[in-house]
Amino acid sequence: EAQVTQNPRYLITVTGKKLTVTCSQNMNHEYMSWYRQDPGLGLRQIYYSMNVEVTDKGDVPEGYKVSRKEKRNFPLILESPSPNQTSLYFCASSPQGEGYTFGSGTRLTVV
Amino acid sequence: DQQVKQNSPSLSVQEGRISILNCDYTNSMFDYFLWYKKYPAEGPTFLISISSIKDKNEDGRFTVFLNKSAKHLSLHIVPSQPGDSAVYFCAASATSNYQLIWGAGTKLIIKP
Repeated sequence: EAQVTQNPRYLITVTGKKLTVTCSQNMNHEYMSWYRQDPGLGLRQIYYSMNVEVTDKGDVPEGYKVSRKEKRNFPLILESPSPNQTSLYFCASSPQGEGYTFGSGTRLTVV
Repeated sequence: DQQVKQNSPSLSVQEGRISILNCDYTNSMFDYFLWYKKYPAEGPTFLISISSIKDKNEDGRFTVFLNKSAKHLSLHIVPSQPGDSAVYFCAASATSNYQLIWGAGTKLIIKP
């Protein structure tokens, strides 16, 4: 089944403790992206990647890192999480120029 | 400044009637528009799209209309069904960079 898999689905952590949210797609898509969804703001792009070893900042990259060492994986790293990063995160992939496929989301709470 | 705006946070429609969701954009470089549907605890799923060379695209009960001069698009759902209750996001991109810019979403509630 073609899908984007994110883990974990839910995570509660403390301020400053490094964490990684994994994202993997099995559709051989070039394009991958991370979004956060906050009430009243819709989906805001954090980082995106046009292909392996090619990443770039989206609209809200502060406090986040990404890497794209393999085509299928695009992990999101929070080196020192803060409470304002409490949000619902979505990973998505796309063959360039077409519709995106989204993961099921990761609900992160930073206390 | 929000480049893609969905001005109605929520919309309530009687089952069987038409649902019309609206979206406005400001960037004239946008040439590809998409609608996504999102249920609670799930990721958004692609619904329908339209490119700027067309003014209408239809897929079953869903039709998207694009008015380029007004920088406005709308999604029509006819007839509305209970399973259509969800949050609908409008998104736009300029095909030169494939990045999607999203609206804030409209929560559609279909009443029995």
